[in-house]
Amino acid sequence: NAGVTQTPKFRVLKTGQSMTLLCAQDMNHEYMYWYRQDPGMGLRLIHYSVGEGTTAKGEVPDGYNVSRLKKQNFLLGLESAAPSQTSVYFCASSYPGRGHTEAFFGQGTRLTVV
Amino acid sequence: GQSLEQPSEVTAVEGAIVQINCTYQTSGFYGLSWYQQHDGGAPTFLSYNGLDGLEETGRFSSFLSRSDSYGYLLLQELQMKDSASYFCAVSPPGAGNMLTFGGGTRLMVKP
Repeated sequence: NAGVTQTPKFRVLKTGQSMTLLCAQDMNHEYMYWYRQDPGMGLRLIHYSVGEGTTAKGEVPDGYNVSRLKKQNFLLGLESAAPSQTSVYFCASSYPGRGHTEAFFGQGTRLTVV
Repeated sequence: GQSLEQPSEVTAVEGAIVQINCTYQTSGFYGLSWYQQHDGGAPTFLSYNGLDGLEETGRFSSFLSRSDSYGYLLLQELQMKDSASYFCAVSPPGAGNMLTFGGGTRLMVKP
């Protein structure tokens, strides 16, 4: 039972570099989300998707892009990393039951931008 | 938009009961959920209130009052392992089902 899998788990980037975070889920969920969590803070929604081929902006979308080419995968891209993007990134997926509030999270990606 | 307010920190002793509140401002939602997150871990789903009233799951209970725009998570018989952060969350259909979390409450359980 893999659930939601994120890769990589850790990454250090230099300012200006680019990278892509991969999220894969095997539960056939329509909805997928990317959050960032800064130390001692809550989860802030970056982008989300309500189905294959669709994406939408969340609360803090600037500096990030996403793609949902396949239902099971949701990619988060940083085109030109900045130190302010140092954070822990969580991917999640959800199903229609419980008003789409029961989400399953990956284990997170710890990103440091130096 | 929607906002969910929680106390930032709560401290309680082992064996006690603690209540974590969540007040919200959102125009319509299916229900209120609660999540637990241990340090260094991922959030995990705890409970859901689709209707007003109390839902009980073992030592944990959750309550919702739509008329008061208020909900809470009640933890009984506290154990050291309950030390974690707790988040309330909603997914308003009017906002494209954008799953939104409160700022979280850090619970410290002391011996």
